Amino acid sequence: NAGVTQTPKFQVLKTGQSMTLQCAQDMNHNSMYWYRQDPGMGLRLIYYSASEGTTDKGEVPNGYNVSRLNKREFSLRLESAAPSQTSVYFCASSEALRGRIYGYTFGSGTRLTVV
Amino acid sequence: AQKITQTQPGMFVQEKEAVTLDCTYDTSDPSYGLFWYKQPSSGEMIFLIYQGSYDQQNATEGRYSLNFQKARKSANLVISASQLGDSAMYFCAMRGSGSQGNLIFGKGTKLSVKP
Repeated sequence: NAGVTQTPKFQVLKTGQSMTLQCAQDMNHNSMYWYRQDPGMGLRLIYYSASEGTTDKGEVPNGYNVSRLNKREFSLRLESAAPSQTSVYFCASSEALRGRIYGYTFGSGTRLTVV
Repeated sequence: AQKITQTQPGMFVQEKEAVTLDCTYDTSDPSYGLFWYKQPSSGEMIFLIYQGSYDQQNATEGRYSLNFQKARKSANLVISASQLGDSAMYFCAMRGSGSQGNLIFGKGTKLSVKP
């Protein structure tokens, strides 16, 4: 099925470990995003990529890096995980459908626990 | 700065009754889009309904309708004939300004449908 695929779905890390969250979309969307969701906080933007080869910081970028490997893939890397990064991470992609209307598709999320 | 406010952390509704979930927004852009998403306990983000700032009529999608009051900057979600399966978190979101195009989310409302 067409959509956004995130891996892994669950991960437990020890403080200081590193890992990369993978995201791929097969809808030929230009824009891709990484969000984190914490209880009572809604979804907050970590990084986004408006097109292949470009990335920009969002609201909460500290402690993260991203790579837009190609049009399909947008990865999120934690270099040295901290307990404050325990969260659910969502990848999303978007494209203009009709003029100003944008369609957004979300992955199923990665639940990350840092101990 | 753009902002979405959802003032109801939790709501209860009786099965088969209608319920309104509140959302107010703040933006200086004349062109914007407003979205509602449902997040069941399984965690995925499910798109419900979209309203464009220039749309003349309120959006409707099945049992979902959006009560859009532009002058008051409100975009309330109305769910008619509530079902047990409607129990979930509901997020109001707005498309950000500029080229990044990310969604800005409210903190959400947890809806519980009582049998």
